[in-house]
Amino acid sequence: QSVLTQPPSVSGAPGQRVTISCTGSSSNIGAGYDVHWYQQLPGTAPKLLIYGNSNRPSGVPDRFSGSKSGTSASLAITGLQAEDEADYYCQSYDSSLRKVFGGGTKLTVL
Amino acid sequence: QVQLVQSGAEVKKPGASVKVSCKVSGYTLTELSMHWVRQAPGKGLEWMGGFDPEDGETIYAQKFQGRVTMTEDTSTDTAYMELSSLRSEDTAVYYCATVQGYSYGSYFDYWGQGTLVTVSS
Repeated sequence: QSVLTQPPSVSGAPGQRVTISCTGSSSNIGAGYDVHWYQQLPGTAPKLLIYGNSNRPSGVPDRFSGSKSGTSASLAITGLQAEDEADYYCQSYDSSLRKVFGGGTKLTVL
Repeated sequence: QVQLVQSGAEVKKPGASVKVSCKVSGYTLTELSMHWVRQAPGKGLEWMGGFDPEDGETIYAQKFQGRVTMTEDTSTDTAYMELSSLRSEDTAVYYCATVQGYSYGSYFDYWGQGTLVTVSS
């Protein structure tokens, strides 16, 4: 059971917009700690996608965006492409457990 | 650009220990904050611990306290993670990853390729 809750799966057709939620509590996201997102393509290491709630590292397309409100955060992907099919993880800080991850969400491009 | 190259796959028997290495290039280890994350087959990511530059010490996730030791050899820019008393549930891919940002807002910016550790009798 992960401290941060994500939907197990989401899907969308090419060109569509999808969002992935990450729900925490008052000891992590709700306490004001930043949320970060990672993309893990099949058989590869995770890759930083969004840091500090809404910042994109160099090289990450602006189709990817992040936001945070209250005890939750969201990752939005617009103009969905086949190569976006991957697992996505949110990560934050927890006052008891320190660094915590969400359980991950599998994105399927239909 | 930071590059992290990890040691190869390991097969261990229950009760044994495993030591995984992570060689840094592009930067020196002293310039980085190295952490370890693992991923069991078909499961999510799990933080194990790493160096906290604000405290100046290595911190471990409570779950692994007493069973994991993370060390660094700055002469070779290599980080190590040793996990003891292995059990089948420790079968996972182990990643080294550098941490960027201040403590409460830090994130993992560079990742090694992963090392599969299989625990089986």
